[in-house]
Amino acid sequence: SQQGEEDPQALSIQEGENATMNCSYKTSINNLQWYRQNSGRGLVHLILIRSNEREKHSGRLRVTLDTSKKSSSLLITASRAADTASYFCATEETSGSRLTFGEGTQLTVNP
Amino acid sequence: DVKVTQSSRYLVKRTGEKVFLECVQDMDHENMFWYRQDPGLGLRLIYFSYDVKMKEKGDIPEGYSVSREKKERFSLILESASTNQTSMYLCASSSAGQGAYEQYFGPGTRLTVT
Repeated sequence: SQQGEEDPQALSIQEGENATMNCSYKTSINNLQWYRQNSGRGLVHLILIRSNEREKHSGRLRVTLDTSKKSSSLLITASRAADTASYFCATEETSGSRLTFGEGTQLTVNP
Repeated sequence: DVKVTQSSRYLVKRTGEKVFLECVQDMDHENMFWYRQDPGLGLRLIYFSYDVKMKEKGDIPEGYSVSREKKERFSLILESASTNQTSMYLCASSSAGQGAYEQYFGPGTRLTVT
């Protein structure tokens, strides 16, 4: 069963705008990770946030984690057309080292 | 630069054929994973391995088997391919041990079974 669920399923914005994607999960986790996938390619790791962290930044990316609500958000600021891709959250549960992926959010950034 | 490679980007096979998908990583990672990705279903874990000759079933192992004879290589085998195994197959690897580790993915193999 899917642990993470992303919201929205699809998002279309203009270049320069911010994009926010959300992820909810069900069980206790060690960490939550965000990945990006360009069409027809493999996934690329973006950022990892541990269960004892609340916020993390990497360049134009900002990730928050609320373990009480079992949710995370990924914010991409000042989006570019090259940010067009699918974005997946993945959770590592406390019971093991495997990741469980959500279904992804398809982001389209229009030039 | 870390690298995970998969033997084919595109593969077309007939129903009933035995299919081998190969994955090689050059990062000396202990863990290796096979996923399939289908529209609307996201990534689903088929099998993973945390050491040579070790394997664990994922969420959807039926119809698949795996082999890990060397640390750098993890093979996915479809014993008798069926049309419902048409999918994108993704291999990944990661370090093991204490701490949180990201997974590194290969480019994927798009398999079509006719």
